[in-house]
Amino acid sequence: KQEVTQIPAALSVPEGENLVLNCSFTDSAIYNLQWFRQDPGKGLTSLLLIQSSQREQTSGRLNASLDKSSGRSTLYIAASQPGDSATYLCAVNNNDMRFGAGTRLTVKP
Amino acid sequence: DAGITQSPRHKVTETGTPVTLRCHQTENHRYMYWYRQDPGHGLRLIHYSYGVKDTDKGEVSDGYSVSRSKTEDFLLTLESATSSQTSVYFCAISEFVGAGYGYTFGSGTRLTVV
Repeated sequence: KQEVTQIPAALSVPEGENLVLNCSFTDSAIYNLQWFRQDPGKGLTSLLLIQSSQREQTSGRLNASLDKSSGRSTLYIAASQPGDSATYLCAVNNNDMRFGAGTRLTVKP
Repeated sequence: DAGITQSPRHKVTETGTPVTLRCHQTENHRYMYWYRQDPGHGLRLIHYSYGVKDTDKGEVSDGYSVSRSKTEDFLLTLESATSSQTSVYFCAISEFVGAGYGYTFGSGTRLTVV
């Protein structure tokens, strides 16, 4: 059974700081890995999808990397802003999507 | 949430009553999923569908049933609601299963069983 772990569970940073969120998974036979953002009381918004054959994906200030062999992914957020405050979820897809518990990010003005 | 809507958005029901949640998509995606999200457990798969009338169980399917009579609609039914089924329910869709295909989620239904 695929297990997905996200570290840290919570993170608080001052505005402008660069930060890294971590995701690890136990079964490397995956189709892809997807990072989501969830605001309080809202649904999940897809940020980045990394296919199993890819090493990284970028969208604006976000960069996600994937090391399938070691079962790790990182989400890098550059020049963080208060609007980035949310919970970030990592999900790994091998026939069905398994989620980590998330990292709750707070960016202080 | 474009192309996928869930109804109702909020519902309060009594223990022992049947409840049906609806997921509707306009993307013509083959795969549809129901998840529940609970503090301390994250998102867990309840049931999924890989086509009209084709469904299968997920990780936490006990007490739930699903139906998919049309491509665009996936219904989740709690036959006799219990307090342990108080949760936020999310529907997701995916065009196919494979490396290039991710999930799109609906806005969720907050269900309270009293």
